[in-house]
Amino acid sequence: NAGVTQTPKFQVLKTGQSMTLQCAQDMNHNSMYWYRQDPGMGLRLIYYSASEGTTDKGEVPNGYNVSRLNKREFSLRLESAAPSQTSVYFCASRTPGLADTQYFGPGTRLTVL
Amino acid sequence: DAKTTQPPSMDCAEGRAANLPCNHSTISGNEYVYWYRQIHSQGPQYIIHGLKNNETNEMASLIITEDRKSSTLILPHATLRDTAVYYCIVRVKGKNRDDKIIFGKGTRLHILP
Repeated sequence: NAGVTQTPKFQVLKTGQSMTLQCAQDMNHNSMYWYRQDPGMGLRLIYYSASEGTTDKGEVPNGYNVSRLNKREFSLRLESAAPSQTSVYFCASRTPGLADTQYFGPGTRLTVL
Repeated sequence: DAKTTQPPSMDCAEGRAANLPCNHSTISGNEYVYWYRQIHSQGPQYIIHGLKNNETNEMASLIITEDRKSSTLILPHATLRDTAVYYCIVRVKGKNRDDKIIFGKGTRLHILP
């Protein structure tokens, strides 16, 4: 199993440009999450999806949209990037049942100029 | 907001036990305590979780006070590779809908050679 994969690993955007961050998991997990982490800070939840076809806002959803395309994939879109969105973005999925833990991807490092 | 309080940083000598405290004074009866860690630039990694009994696995031990208002993560023989940010999270286990899984700022643990 590849676990949780994210693409791209690095991205530089200009202010106002749009892009989509991709996340996929091959562990058959129902729940998926997007977090951002600013330098020296903890993780902040942007959006999450409890199951295919559902999405909910987290702590900092403004400026982002998400799509739960199917059970495997959960994408994060920046429609008009701003310098304040410069961050490292982590995707996670969560095991069902008794274990109930999150698995994280390697992150996407995004810089908005 | 995160429902836990952790010291921002701690030091521990290599080979000694690292004891990381977490306060969760408003924890509910059905909320579990989870610990994750994040090694520099990587995605967070699950360590351990518990409800009210002490737990141990190959990575660490978790001690939860009888009133459940605080807990301590113990790394019995810390190594330089344990240098990381450690996050304490409380949440209801197995709940999908409305389970936002919020991370706080964590404790930055420095293992000193």
